[in-house]
Amino acid sequence: EAGVTQFPSHSVIEKGQTVTLRCDPISGHDNLYWYRRVMGKEIKFLLHFVKESKQDESGMPNNRFLAERTGGTYSTLKVQPAELEDSGVYFCASSRQIGTDTQYFGPGTRLTVL
Amino acid sequence: GESVGLHLPTLSVQEGDNSIINCAYSNSASDYFIWYKQESGKGPQFIIDIRSNMDKRQGQRVTVLLNKTVKHLSLQIAATQPGDSAVYFCAESSPNTGNQFYFGTGTSLTVIP
Repeated sequence: EAGVTQFPSHSVIEKGQTVTLRCDPISGHDNLYWYRRVMGKEIKFLLHFVKESKQDESGMPNNRFLAERTGGTYSTLKVQPAELEDSGVYFCASSRQIGTDTQYFGPGTRLTVL
Repeated sequence: GESVGLHLPTLSVQEGDNSIINCAYSNSASDYFIWYKQESGKGPQFIIDIRSNMDKRQGQRVTVLLNKTVKHLSLQIAATQPGDSAVYFCAESSPNTGNQFYFGTGTSLTVIP
């Protein structure tokens, strides 16, 4: 079974530019989560999809972040325009069931905003 | 708000010794806990989980202990090996927070050969 994959692995952009991160969950996993870890801090929840619907987006920092999951398969997270404080590692995770079910993480995308 | 933290940000142990990594949480309604291991350049990998109806669970060389009275979680690694060097995160979820997971800041474990 293939794991969660994320693209790109690294992205370096300038402040004000746009970046789109992609996540492909494990096949058959309806639940898809985005997290972010800023340097030296905890991994923070951003949002949760169940299939193509946003179940919980309470962790999204502001309206510069837009997540989509059209068709309920892969998901994209777009940051527009990027700011310096957006730098960090963005993780995607998926699970088969909601709630008390193990979430499997992708390798993350390291975003650096200069 | 949610608070999940670890007592020590770094831990160094000799190869072959046992390691104990601690985690505190603040939500008394938390009912599911996971320990993740993150190696350099990789995403967090599931190690072991425990539900709130248990106070101990054992895996291969790892044991998780849950003390709900003091809201404390620990991960014990037996006979620590160099391959155990990584950052370890605890994560917890509860029904009253939409079952999203809250993570600690992580403990960096270094195994000295």
